[in-house]
Amino acid sequence: KNEVEQSPQNLTAQEGEFITINCSYSVGISALHWLQQHPGGGIVSLFMLSSGKKKHGRLIATINIQEKHSSLHITASHPRDSAVYICAVDSNFGNEKLTFGTGTRLTIIP
Amino acid sequence: NAGVMQNPRHLVRRRGQEARLRCSPMKGHSHVYWYRQLPEEGLKFMVYLQKENIIDESGMPKERFSAEFPKEGPSILRIQQVVRGDSAAYFCASSPRTGLLSGNTIYFGEGSWLTVV
Repeated sequence: KNEVEQSPQNLTAQEGEFITINCSYSVGISALHWLQQHPGGGIVSLFMLSSGKKKHGRLIATINIQEKHSSLHITASHPRDSAVYICAVDSNFGNEKLTFGTGTRLTIIP
Repeated sequence: NAGVMQNPRHLVRRRGQEARLRCSPMKGHSHVYWYRQLPEEGLKFMVYLQKENIIDESGMPKERFSAEFPKEGPSILRIQQVVRGDSAAYFCASSPRTGLLSGNTIYFGEGSWLTVV
């Protein structure tokens, strides 16, 4: 079993829909990262969370440390949101290496 | 302020040749991380370096792979005697002086795509 599990693996939605991507992890963490990988391959860090909730534009990320679960939400989705979204955890205290989920491929249809 | 710069973006090598991938971290960043993304797989940690020091290389294959981050110049990931299984995207990332555990975010380069033929 992977230390970091994401669901769904693939998600197709209509423009304007509310999107939720889930991430569960099995180890203690110091922080959780949400990343976006563009179709061209580049990776952008969206959020880093250690507790609670963060919002940036149409993106919202939440984390529940007790349940070892995080969600990434996209409101009013747009075709330009189409990308692979990756959850990563910093699971080694004092070690600074990230463990990644396998990603969720999101496609937003106009 | 330029982001994390990786080169080359695309590299083709024949089996048995050497591949050198370079990474210049963001200005002011002294922590560098290399990750590998095999086709249809997730990202995997390879190595974590600070200037002139390898801090954690637990994700590096034991043979043929090496990494350095010299006092001057970019970090280098070197793969000797490449094989087809080395074909992957190699991402470099950097974070500020106090690293990830101090609450700093991580910045990724655009990646280097290695194809071994």
